[in-house]
Amino acid sequence: KAGVTQTPRYLIKTRGQQVTLSCSPISGHRSVSWYQQTPGQGLQFLFEYFSETQRNKGNFPGRFSGRQFSNSRSEMNVSTLELGDSALYLCASSLWGGEAFFGQGTRLTVV
Amino acid sequence: QKEVEQDPGPLSVPEGAIVSLNCTYSNSAFQYFMWYRQYSRKGPELLMYTYSSGNKEDGRFTAQVDKSSKYISLFIRDSQPSDSATYLCAMSVSEGAQKLVFGQGTRLTINP
Repeated sequence: KAGVTQTPRYLIKTRGQQVTLSCSPISGHRSVSWYQQTPGQGLQFLFEYFSETQRNKGNFPGRFSGRQFSNSRSEMNVSTLELGDSALYLCASSLWGGEAFFGQGTRLTVV
Repeated sequence: QKEVEQDPGPLSVPEGAIVSLNCTYSNSAFQYFMWYRQYSRKGPELLMYTYSSGNKEDGRFTAQVDKSSKYISLFIRDSQPSDSATYLCAMSVSEGAQKLVFGQGTRLTINP
């Protein structure tokens, strides 16, 4: 059974640009959530989607957005990138909540 | 004050030792508790998931939850060098909505 797939694995962007990250959940899972991991702040919740609807949102600025498609795949977008957005972005999937399984992450570097 | 506190370590123990990892939390609404293991440059891997006070065992791993003290622990028996990783506790208020709050993680090294 395939796990959670995140693409791309690595990304380098320039300040002011925007970026889109992709996440394919485990087959059959309908909940997808996104997290930001940095050495200083650790793992922080960004948002969660369930059946194409945002169900929860963390305390991040509006530059961070996401969406989920009918096949449960999800994308997150960060606009007007700042140096502080450099982080490992992790996607997790679960059936409907509960046990969450993480992907390998996308490492974003903003220069 | 963070909602979830976890000693960041680092923690270094000899192979075969029993390892104890701990988290405390302040939000009494947390009902679901998880432990993840994260190797360098990898995503977190779910080790244990529990929602009731008491112990849950899985192989060499035992998760312990004490809701009255707002304290959770992970015990690793017969530790192996392959257990060297960062261990993260996580918790949530609701099972139906996935919004996990993580501890800072404890970096563990098992010395052969």
